[in-house]
Amino acid sequence: EVQLVESGGRLVRPGGSLRLSCAASGITFSSYTMSWVRQAPGRGLEWVSSMSKSGTYIYHADSLMGRFAISRDNARDLLFLQMSSLRVEDTAIYYCVSQTPEGVPLGHWGPGTQLTVSS
Amino acid sequence: DIVMTQSPHSLTVSLGERATINCRSSQSLLYTSDNKNYLAWYQHKPGQPPKLLIYWASTRESGVPDRFIGSGSGTDFTLTINSLQAEDVAVYYCQQFYTPPPWTFGLGTRVEIK
Repeated sequence: EVQLVESGGRLVRPGGSLRLSCAASGITFSSYTMSWVRQAPGRGLEWVSSMSKSGTYIYHADSLMGRFAISRDNARDLLFLQMSSLRVEDTAIYYCVSQTPEGVPLGHWGPGTQLTVSS
Repeated sequence: DIVMTQSPHSLTVSLGERATINCRSSQSLLYTSDNKNYLAWYQHKPGQPPKLLIYWASTRESGVPDRFIGSGSGTDFTLTINSLQAEDVAVYYCQQFYTPPPWTFGLGTRVEIK
């Protein structure tokens, strides 16, 4: 069974930085594209970032204005999201998501970690 | 970016009745090379992560009840929930993965029991 467990979410002041982590198990982590998706309070789902299995291809939402960086450690089955210059509007639940063997990019979801940006 | 437009925004249906959710994309999601529509549907319940229900527009994910039916092709898609059950109360999202990211979602349809 695929398990994705996010960690690192907490209360951060505007302008601060934070790194989220996602530990994967039950999958051959290095074989799949991994992504972050978020949901702000009262809003819908928003794709944030994705990284291909080997890290060759990296994508970030334009709305992030270069403030976030996705990375992965295939030796330790870990996915990261480094966030900087955090804004109130970055407040959201952040989900770690893995591709499925069938090639669906947002197939398996972790329970999420809460980031709150507030003064 | 591909824009996904869902309708209705919310839906109230009696137990045992049918719920129908529509999703339209701003460009075709059909790849002619493999004849697949790169569209997925998700179910999102409060306090839980979203759950993949349907992919390739009409393929049910393993374990998803057969009352959930995805249909459509090109730019117009439908999620039908036959014989609505109490546990189907959720927000449902369509999402395209036709292009490399950005992958975009519809705004969601809230399904409630009448």
